[in-house]
Amino acid sequence: EAGVVQSPRYKIIEKKQPVAFWCNPISGHNTLYWYRQNLGQGPELLIRYENEEAVDDSQLPKDRFSAERLKGVDSTLKIQPAELGDSAVYLCAEGQGTNTGELFFGEGSRLTVL
Amino acid sequence: SQKIEQNSEALNIQEGKTATLTCNYTNYSPAYLQWYRQDPGRGPVFLLLIRENEKEKRKERLKVTFDTTLKQSLFHITASQPADSATYLCALGVSGGYNKLIFGAGTRLAVHP
Repeated sequence: EAGVVQSPRYKIIEKKQPVAFWCNPISGHNTLYWYRQNLGQGPELLIRYENEEAVDDSQLPKDRFSAERLKGVDSTLKIQPAELGDSAVYLCAEGQGTNTGELFFGEGSRLTVL
Repeated sequence: SQKIEQNSEALNIQEGKTATLTCNYTNYSPAYLQWYRQDPGRGPVFLLLIRENEKEKRKERLKVTFDTTLKQSLFHITASQPADSATYLCALGVSGGYNKLIFGAGTRLAVHP
């Protein structure tokens, strides 16, 4: 059964500090996504991986955001330095890689930047 | 501009009634559409997929319709229960090198006993 573990669940930092989120797609599907969800909005794609390759990072703010997926399993998303507007829930999801496949989301990491 | 619109106001209904949620879109040509449920503090959970050549899909008490002419999907929950209270997100599968999901903002459903 699919399952995505994310940590930390909650993080509060001051602006200009760095922060990192971790995702473990337990079921090991090839495709992994990072989404950002602002309050009252739907998830917005930041980056998509096929195995360890980032195949769509067009919406990742590359000046301060970075991501990696070593060995095509776990992934980390980093923000450095964080800004007030980065406060959001960061969701990791895995997909079966088919064209219409459902996504399995983790519980998310809620970031508050003060 | 491209838009996905879901009712921004919460939908309040009585237990046992049918809840109908709307997803309208403009300037997209989705190959398919998915509906997700999201509870507070949790990640979205997949419910149903409907393709562009399908008019209707059912799963237990759930029914989804997809009208590509009207550019609209309707999501129905029959015999609603308080446990159905959640936010429901529609997501369009659009082509962009690969089929990627674009999510709406969601509609909050509250089912009252």
